[in-house]
Amino acid sequence: DIQMTQSPSLLSASVGDRVTLNCKASQNINKNLNWYQQKLGEAPKLLIYYTNNLQTGIPSRFSGSGSGTDYTLTISSLQPEDVATYFCFQYNSGHTFGAGTKLELK
Amino acid sequence: QIQLVQSGPELKKPGESVKISCKASGYTFTDYAMHWVKQAPGKGLKWMGWINTYTGKPTYADDFKGRFVFSLEASASTANLQISNLKNEDTATYFCARLMGDYWGQGVMVTVSS
Repeated sequence: DIQMTQSPSLLSASVGDRVTLNCKASQNINKNLNWYQQKLGEAPKLLIYYTNNLQTGIPSRFSGSGSGTDYTLTISSLQPEDVATYFCFQYNSGHTFGAGTKLELK
Repeated sequence: QIQLVQSGPELKKPGESVKISCKASGYTFTDYAMHWVKQAPGKGLKWMGWINTYTGKPTYADDFKGRFVFSLEASASTANLQISNLKNEDTATYFCARLMGDYWGQGVMVTVSS
């Protein structure tokens, strides 16, 4: 089974900061990776699909990159409404979520 | 519009069974797979598996083989999750999701407590 490791598990940042969240797969996942945002009490919401494709309706401050085993979600300028937990999700072989990165305001 | 509407919260005792439903509307049910995701209180997301809504064939993640059953009532555009012999660690919110296009149910809280 493919394991997904996210780092950091908790990130504190200020409004306007550039924020980077990381996700590492235990083997090559061929860019078959999505990023989800989950706010408290809500269902997850897709932000990025296939590593770097912005889902319709998602602000352009969100972007994704990566290849092989290493992937990144970047928020170019953090907004208060971005406070949430972010999960990566691989679908290259089976399906696996990462443990999540909780993003809070400093 | 596309919606996935799940059944209501459940309170069960250890050893009992529970069946959760997920009714889809706004699209052709058999065109898209339905996935199930578990989220224990304060924890992350765990992919449980998926069901081919055209053939009815389920696929389970390793941790969800045995007590968990995905089923369909295709004529009613409904997917079901049944959990038997409930354990305390089954306490969680269970989501159904059409990952293609990103449609999720609202989640069902299942509480297992004696």
